[in-house]
Amino acid sequence: QVQLQESGPGLVKPSETLSLTCTVSGGSISSYFWNWIRQPAGKGLEWIGHIYSSGSTNYNPSLKSRVTMSVDPSKNQFSLRLSSVTAADTAVYYCARVIFRGSLLSYFDYWGQGTLVTVSS
Amino acid sequence: QSALTQSASVSGSPGQSITISCTGTSSDVGSYNLVSWYQQHPGKAPKLMIYEVTKRPSGISNRFSGSKSGNTASLTISGLQAEDEADYYCCSYAGSSTFVVLFGGGTKLTVL
Repeated sequence: QVQLQESGPGLVKPSETLSLTCTVSGGSISSYFWNWIRQPAGKGLEWIGHIYSSGSTNYNPSLKSRVTMSVDPSKNQFSLRLSSVTAADTAVYYCARVIFRGSLLSYFDYWGQGTLVTVSS
Repeated sequence: QSALTQSASVSGSPGQSITISCTGTSSDVGSYNLVSWYQQHPGKAPKLMIYEVTKRPSGISNRFSGSKSGNTASLTISGLQAEDEADYYCCSYAGSSTFVVLFGGGTKLTVL
């Protein structure tokens, strides 16, 4: 059974960079796409982007200028960096695995439990 | 692209059936049979309930079913049970020139 676990600071100051890591256990990170999705309190889900095990990425166009994702197959981990954060970036951040059909994204089958990141001075 | 449109809330009594709709456009829901549905209980991570419009993952009750007509996808839950009370989100691939994934705003299901 694949399990994902997010980790990182729960509090980030405005204008600084949010950094989170997702550790994958129970399966290999190789040959899959790994995603970050966030959810502000009381609101819906927003796809941030994903990274393939080889390092290729796709980012949400609305966040693209501030997002960087990386992967470390040797540690079975992938990471998110979101720069120049504001209060609007306060949310629960989830990591998730996605399944593709050909070149098209199909569904998210495994999710982490989520981690709350608050942007505040 | 804008988020997919879901009604904010729906309710039903135990044993009844309800349907949650998810409306997109010809660029997302209407173009791809790649709609998925997620159940989220308070404080928990989303859980995959339906994928590729109609398919159920292993372990998901056959009380949950999905369909699509044009730009609107639907999730139907039959034989409502108390544990079905949760938020439900639809999701669709929306890429064409730009890779995009869209979620609906979520529907709160209340079991009366």
